Amino acid sequence: EPEVTQTPSHQVTQMGQEVILRCVPISNHLYFYWYRQILGQKVEFLVSFYNNEISEKSEIFDDQFSVERPDGSNFTLKIRSTKLEDSAMYFCASSGVIKYETQYFGPGTRLLVL
Amino acid sequence: GENVEQHPSTLSVQEGDSAVIKCTYSDSASNYFPWYKQELGKGPQLIIDIRSNVGEKKDQRIAVTLNKTAKHFSLHITETQPEDSAVYFCAASRLSGGYNKLIFGAGTRLAVHP
Repeated sequence: EPEVTQTPSHQVTQMGQEVILRCVPISNHLYFYWYRQILGQKVEFLVSFYNNEISEKSEIFDDQFSVERPDGSNFTLKIRSTKLEDSAMYFCASSGVIKYETQYFGPGTRLLVL
Repeated sequence: GENVEQHPSTLSVQEGDSAVIKCTYSDSASNYFPWYKQELGKGPQLIIDIRSNVGEKKDQRIAVTLNKTAKHFSLHITETQPEDSAVYFCAASRLSGGYNKLIFGAGTRLAVHP
């Protein structure tokens, strides 16, 4: 069964450093999302992406964040200058055209900013 | 703003008993309500969903009910088994013909004891 994959599974970085989190959505999907979950808190929407542009973003998704689909298979989230409060689990999700409401989630990347 | 409240935060049942998890949502325009199961080390996996034009949906031992007037929806698991032990998240969304952001509840940790 097709699934969303994410790399790396864990990332430790120093405050102020740039990180790129990578996702490979399900191959025929067209809608892509990033969510994050700070430890002990809710899963929060960050951004949705369709047709090579951001379709919606949350207040969390400030100028330090960017997303890109550099090729036909990868979807990335970049944090330009990480802060301590960016430490969280980051989930990528994708959905198809026919049943677009169903989002399939990847296993997540645990980011720790020191 | 949009919010989803979920109760209880933890639930412990004996194998074979039923489990019920309840959620309320604030955005009256929400029209799609998925439930996700998250096992340790994995991303959320969709287990059942319901649209606002339906009051109840069943899939084997799992059912979801929706009360639009009261703005709440519930997950019912019957004949629980140890493998049902996981964290369950409800979510609400306003479908708009394409991408849709999910607003998640805080999660319920379900433990099924043999």
